[in-house]
Amino acid sequence: DAGVTQSPTHLIKTRGQQVTLRCSPKSGHDTVSWYQQALGQGPQFIFQYYEEEERQRGNFPDRFSGHQFPNYSSELNVNALLLGDSALYLCASSSFGGTNTGELFFGEGSRLTVL
Amino acid sequence: AQKVTQAQTEISVVEKEDVTLDCVYETRDTTYYLFWYKQPPSGELVFLIRRNSFDEQNEISGRYSWNFQKSTSSFNFTITASQVVDSAVYFCALILFKAAGNKLTFGGGTRVLVKP
Repeated sequence: DAGVTQSPTHLIKTRGQQVTLRCSPKSGHDTVSWYQQALGQGPQFIFQYYEEEERQRGNFPDRFSGHQFPNYSSELNVNALLLGDSALYLCASSSFGGTNTGELFFGEGSRLTVL
Repeated sequence: AQKVTQAQTEISVVEKEDVTLDCVYETRDTTYYLFWYKQPPSGELVFLIRRNSFDEQNEISGRYSWNFQKSTSSFNFTITASQVVDSAVYFCALILFKAAGNKLTFGGGTRVLVKP
């Protein structure tokens, strides 16, 4: 049973560029959430996707956008990269509307470095 | 807005010692869930325990136990007889009942180093 998979694992970009990160949820899960974790800090919620729509959003600018595909996989896009966007980006999956609120399965993350 | 504070940034112990991690939270809501997650060096966060605001009963699960006190807004976590494999960063987190979904608010984490 494959868990949450993310790609790429590491990438380096320069300021102003755009990046796309990808996530495949755990088998049987239909909801994907994205978190940003700066070095030495706790994860911060970016947004959540269910039924191919953004359902909740944290305090992140419009430069951060996403998409969910019919197979439940998801992409996180960040435009006009800033140095402060350097972080570990974590994808988490779950089943929407279930009783296991907050019990998320996380991937190992994509570490983005912006130079 | 919610806030979770983990005052301990790093704890170092020798194997078999007990480790207690402190967590203090702030919320105006009366209904919420509290969590502990573990983040090993590989990066993924691993769910450990969940507690709802209605249930202050403290429990033990294997080598893990927790102490939830609403009066002091604290949700402390103890690892008994620590092992080297317990070395990781531990995060306390909160989610409101009404929030639904997966919008967790995390603390800053506590790094635990267990030495052999």
